[in-house]
Amino acid sequence: ETGVTQTPRHLVMGMTNKKSLKCEQHLGHNAMYWYKQSAKKPLELMFVYSLEERVENNSVPSRFSPECPNSSHLFLHLHTLQPEDSALYLCASSQDPTGRGTDTQYFGPGTRLTVL
Amino acid sequence: DAKTTQPTSMDCAEGRAANLPCNHSTISGNEYVYWYRQIHSQGPQYIIHGLKNNETNEMASLIITEDRKSSTLILPHATLRDTAVYYCIVKGGSNYKLTFGKGTLLTVNP
Repeated sequence: ETGVTQTPRHLVMGMTNKKSLKCEQHLGHNAMYWYKQSAKKPLELMFVYSLEERVENNSVPSRFSPECPNSSHLFLHLHTLQPEDSALYLCASSQDPTGRGTDTQYFGPGTRLTVL
Repeated sequence: DAKTTQPTSMDCAEGRAANLPCNHSTISGNEYVYWYRQIHSQGPQYIIHGLKNNETNEMASLIITEDRKSSTLILPHATLRDTAVYYCIVKGGSNYKLTFGKGTLLTVNP
């Protein structure tokens, strides 16, 4: 238990569906992250929020829409996904809003997404 | 961030020390060495990090060479539950990004 929770843990959706992934951190951290891990590929950073402001968007398609309503919650809204978007989606949080070198990220358990 | 090189896989007997090496020959002075592990289909778990001094916590020890071009993660008494992919990551400056490579699959055998 890292203090970062994600729901749902598993999600199956069709290409025309709209769904949302939720992340909550109970650590009092100031930065939150979305990562994607496709089968047999390294984790890829998708988005970074620092003090509820998006500070990084690593060329992620617009069918993925993040939202950070407060420092404890992070959402990833999904719409019109493709089968190749099936992956493990991981949320992380860290203390330092500047992301300094010594700032440690703590990960949630992930949401396993399958797009049919 | 500097690139890291790790062996693809390693085996270790239960109860013995597991020593996982990592090369990071292009590391810069302000970059930290981080270790995470990921048990199948779970989120990565933070283990330890260091700058230039050796570090120890309840999970592991981190030995960084004097020139900082390589490091070793030591699990002193490996258990079956330590079977996982171990990632060595160099992170520095004001960079949010953790760049995960392929890591080392450590298999602890009974």
